[in-house]
Amino acid sequence: EAGVAQSPRYKIIEKRQSVAFWCNPISGHATLYWYQQILGQGPKLLIQFQNNGVVDDSQLPKDRFSAERLKGVDSTLKIQPAKLEDSAVYLCASSPRLAYTGELFFGEGSRLTVL
Amino acid sequence: TQLLEQSPQFLSIQEGENLTVYCNSSSVFSSLQWYRQEPGEGPVLLVTVVTGGEVKKLKRLTFQFGDARKDSSLHITAAQPGDTGLYLCAAYLIQGAQKLVFGQGTRLTINP
Repeated sequence: EAGVAQSPRYKIIEKRQSVAFWCNPISGHATLYWYQQILGQGPKLLIQFQNNGVVDDSQLPKDRFSAERLKGVDSTLKIQPAKLEDSAVYLCASSPRLAYTGELFFGEGSRLTVL
Repeated sequence: TQLLEQSPQFLSIQEGENLTVYCNSSSVFSSLQWYRQEPGEGPVLLVTVVTGGEVKKLKRLTFQFGDARKDSSLHITAAQPGDTGLYLCAAYLIQGAQKLVFGQGTRLTINP
């Protein structure tokens, strides 16, 4: 079974530029998550989708970050304009369904460096 | 303020030693998970604990969920270099959206 696919793996941009990350979850997984992991810290949830609807986006900086999950499958996370503090690894994860004991399956992440 | 506090944040020990990592909170959780993350990869689930007082074993790793479902520990017996990595506890809040929140992690290094 194919895992969660993310691209690009690495991206370097200047501040105020824009960037987009793509995620393809495990086939059949209804729930998709975007986490931000700053170096030395644990992952922080940015947004959570159930199919193509948003379940939680309370920690998404909506003035610069946006995310969509068209057709309830793959997802795109966009940052515009980027700030220095956005330098982090952006992790996408999926799970079969919403559940209080559900395992999350993570991709390898997209590492963003903002100069 | 971290909802889940892990300690220690860094731990470096010799191969063969035992160690315990802690995950604490003032909140009650419906379940708690431990993940391990290696450089350049995403976290991978090790275990899920659901019942207060529950103990689960995975080879040399022993996981315990506190009686009040507010804390957990991970104990490794006879640590090996392959145990090196970032250990993350994560928990589902008991109310509200079913979102998984993570601690800041414990970076473990096992020296040969």
